Amino acid sequence: EVQLVQSGAEVKKPGESLKISCKGSGYSFTNYWIGWVRQMPGKGLEWMGIIYPDDSDTRYSPSFQGQVTISADKSISTAYLQWSSLKASDTAMYYCAVGITIFSPTGFDPWGQGTLVTVSS
Amino acid sequence: DIQMTQSPSSVSASVGDRVTITCRASQGISSWLAWYQQKPGKAPKLLIYAASSLQSGVPSRFSGSGSGTDFTLTISSLQPEDFATYYCQQANSFPLLTFGGGTKVEIK
Repeated sequence: EVQLVQSGAEVKKPGESLKISCKGSGYSFTNYWIGWVRQMPGKGLEWMGIIYPDDSDTRYSPSFQGQVTISADKSISTAYLQWSSLKASDTAMYYCAVGITIFSPTGFDPWGQGTLVTVSS
Repeated sequence: DIQMTQSPSSVSASVGDRVTITCRASQGISSWLAWYQQKPGKAPKLLIYAASSLQSGVPSRFSGSGSGTDFTLTISSLQPEDFATYYCQQANSFPLLTFGGGTKVEIK
């Protein structure tokens, strides 16, 4: 069974750093793109960026370029999303999802269960 | 950037109804479109990819159609478990993807 398991909920203060994880299993982790999606409270889905774990080719949505860093460690089948200095506006649920095909996937499935990040002073 | 516009933003329907949701792209995206279902407190789930291909395990009452700029998701006979929010996503500009704003299907 293909599965993505994300790290647990986080509560942080503004200015703190954070790295959340997404561990894949049940498939060839290195050969499928993994994307990250933000969902702010009560809002829709926003595409943040994507990584190809085999060579760590990473692309960002313009809205998130410079705001977050996406990385992967293929030796442990895990992708990461990190912030160097959190803001209150980063409070959201964050999902990872794996592409359904190796090249230019037209859909993403399955998704991780989500990681809730709360940033508050 | 390719913008995706969904309509309506919400729809009230009864069990057994036929429901159609529309997604329009700001420029042609061929068939590079996916549809997702999200229930409250849960991760999204892929229903349709490549505009009209049904993801494995998804009930056949869900169908997708369209190409270019105009797409539809149809639920042929709404079931109680289908009350959720639905999102379209374009993948024509991969790896820069974008979602539509979502359509909430509510109980009438």
